[in-house]
Amino acid sequence: NAGVTQTPKFRILKIGQSMTLQCTQDMNHNYMYWYRQDPGMGLKLIYYSVGAGITDKGEVPNGYNVSRSTTEDFPLRLELAAPSQTSVYFCASCQMSESKPQHFGDGTRLSIL
Amino acid sequence: AQTVTQSQPEMSVQEAETVTLSCTYDTSESDYYLFWYKQPPSRQMILVIRQEAYKQQNATENRFSVNFQKAAKSFSLKISDSQLGDAAMYFCAYCSNFGNEKLTFGTGTRLTIIP
Repeated sequence: NAGVTQTPKFRILKIGQSMTLQCTQDMNHNYMYWYRQDPGMGLKLIYYSVGAGITDKGEVPNGYNVSRSTTEDFPLRLELAAPSQTSVYFCASCQMSESKPQHFGDGTRLSIL
Repeated sequence: AQTVTQSQPEMSVQEAETVTLSCTYDTSESDYYLFWYKQPPSRQMILVIRQEAYKQQNATENRFSVNFQKAAKSFSLKISDSQLGDAAMYFCAYCSNFGNEKLTFGTGTRLTIIP
C-alpha cells in the first residue's frame, strides 16, 4: 500500500528557477493538502483541495501554485524560487470521515541557493 | 482563526518513566478534532492519537493517552513506560469539523529518552 507518494525527496534550486513538487495518493481521498515545515517549526498550510478541480489558499500561499485535475494527483509549483522557500514540504490527504486522520507523504527537502 | 500552542520546546524522560507533553489551543468552535503526531528523525509524520471534542472520554492508544480538558482548551499527551523509539518531535494539531479538514499545528516538542 503506497499511500501518499511525494517526489523528489531532495532538490536544490537556484534563485529564480521553477519546479514542480509531485504528490499522488492511491486511497481515493477527496481532500489533499500541501504544508511546509521550516526548521524548528510546525507545519503551515500552503494550499488545499477538496476535490478534483477545486483548490484554495491556505495560510502561506504566496509564491506557489497548485492544480487538481484528478483525484490522485496534487502537484505544487514554485514559479520563481526564492531563498525564503527553503523548507521541507509535505503533502497529505484524507477522506471526509468521522475519524479524519490525515495521511502524510515522506516530505521533500528543498533548498534554494 | 484557530491557534495551537506547545509551550515546551524540549522535554526529556528516563527510559521506562512517564512523561506528559502539553498543548493548548484557542477556538470559538464547539465541534472539532485534536491530534498528536510524532515526527522521528526520518521526517515521517505519524499519527499517535486523536480526540473528538464531543467525546468526554479521553482517548488511549496502548502506552499513549490524552488528558482532554475542553473548557480549559487543553490537550496533553501522556506517554507511559517510555521507550527509546519514542524519541521524536511531537506535534499537537487542531482540525475543525466544519469542512476542509485543514490541520493547524503547534510548534512541536522535542522529546529525548534517556537510557
